[in-house]
Amino acid sequence: GAGVSQSPSNKVTEKGKDVELRCDPISGHTALYWYRQSLGQGLEFLIYFQGNSAPDKSGLPSDRFSAERTGGSVSTLTIQRTQQEDSAVYLCASSLAGHFGTDTQYFGPGTRLTVL
Amino acid sequence: RKEVEQDPGPFNVPEGATVAFNCTYSNSASQSFFWYRQDCRKEPKLLMSVYSSGNEDGRFTAQLNRASQYISLLIRDSKLSDSATYLCVVNGPNQGGKLIFGQGTELSVKP
Repeated sequence: GAGVSQSPSNKVTEKGKDVELRCDPISGHTALYWYRQSLGQGLEFLIYFQGNSAPDKSGLPSDRFSAERTGGSVSTLTIQRTQQEDSAVYLCASSLAGHFGTDTQYFGPGTRLTVL
Repeated sequence: RKEVEQDPGPFNVPEGATVAFNCTYSNSASQSFFWYRQDCRKEPKLLMSVYSSGNEDGRFTAQLNRASQYISLLIRDSKLSDSATYLCVVNGPNQGGKLIFGQGTELSVKP
C-alpha cells in the first residue's frame, strides 16, 4: 500500500520567506510526527499529533514553527520568516496508534529545505 | 549530555566481518528501544526493536542492558548491502510516541 508521502521533495527559499511543508500519513494511522535532520546531524523531534489530543509541541525550536493536522490526516508544517539555520531535511512519520512509541514509525522521503 | 549517544563512525569493514555498534541512553525510565537504518539521502527505516531478553533477526543481534543503559547491535557476516548509517533510537515514558535518535554510526562494507 501507499506509504507516507511528503511534498515538495525539495524547496529552495529566500531568507525571511514563509514555507509550508505537507505530509500525507499512511491511511488509518492515528499518530503523526515531524522531525528534522540537519546536515551531518541526527534526527531532531519537532512535533507529534495523536488522534484528537493536543499535539506535543515540545520540540519546536521557535515560535516561527507551527504545524496543523486537519481531519486527523494530512499535516502541514509552517516555518515563518525562514532563517539559514532552518535548512535541513524535514521528515514526517506516522504510526498506527502512537502510544508509548511501541508502534513502528514509518517515515516519508522528506522535504529538503534550503534557505538562501 | 545527549539523551542518546552512539559510537562515532565511520566503521570501514571488509565483507564477511562482524561489526558491533554501541549506544547509551541517559533516561533510565526509557521503555522502548530500536535500531533504525538510514541509507544515504533516504528516510530512516526500522531495522529491529530491542527487547530486554535480547533478540536476533538473521545476521543481526540486538542486546539491551537496562542497568547500564546500554544498547548494542551486532552484524555478522556483513554484506556490501549493509552499508548505511545505523541509528540508535529510544522512547521514554510520558513521551507518547516521540522518538529520541542518536547521531548515527556510519558503516561502510568493502569488497
